[in-house]
Amino acid sequence: GESVGLHLPTLSVQEGDNSIINCAYSNSASDYFIWYKQESGKGPQFIIDIRSNMDKRQGQRVTVLLNKTVKHLSLQIAATQPGDSAVYFCAEMRWNFNKFYFGSGTKLNVKP
Amino acid sequence: EPEVTQTPSHQVTQMGQEVILRCVPISNHLYFYWYRQILGQKVEFLVSFYNNEISEKSEIFDDQFSVERPDGSNFTLKIRSTKLEDSAMYFCASSDLPGNYGYTFGSGTRLTVV
Repeated sequence: GESVGLHLPTLSVQEGDNSIINCAYSNSASDYFIWYKQESGKGPQFIIDIRSNMDKRQGQRVTVLLNKTVKHLSLQIAATQPGDSAVYFCAEMRWNFNKFYFGSGTKLNVKP
Repeated sequence: EPEVTQTPSHQVTQMGQEVILRCVPISNHLYFYWYRQILGQKVEFLVSFYNNEISEKSEIFDDQFSVERPDGSNFTLKIRSTKLEDSAMYFCASSDLPGNYGYTFGSGTRLTVV
């Protein structure tokens, strides 16, 4: 079956350092990916997305990298801040399937 | 920025009771969804809804669950006879086109079944 999973359940970084959160997916038909941030008691909040015809996309302080060869996705956060502390999920969608499959989540702790 | 609004934020109910979770999707969106997240677990798809009918549902979405768009603005999830294992965060989402366009999640309703 298909699965979207995260390598590390918890990541602790020092404020100001860069963070890298990883995600593996198994369905080669996946063609759209989103990274979500979830703070305690809140819904998933869109961070950045990438389509399968790209291998890199940059946003404000965030970069998503997609390696289709090994079915791997990563989220890089530059100059991590205390406000970045949250659980981060990757989610994948196959075009026109209209629903997301979520990974298990990685908790990011930013130490001041 | 447009938001998906969910009410209530927290609902406590007794086992066997019916609950209705309410959502107001983004106004020009046509596709509506419910997801669920049991504490400490993944967010899971429950159901998608378009043109006043269910377009897809997961195996979680059994006969105890139903969805409705009672008017032009609300989208509801009803659980007919709640079980302890229905305790979870329930997220509503909407999109303006099929697939990923403008897919936006609400902040969720925490349902606690006691």
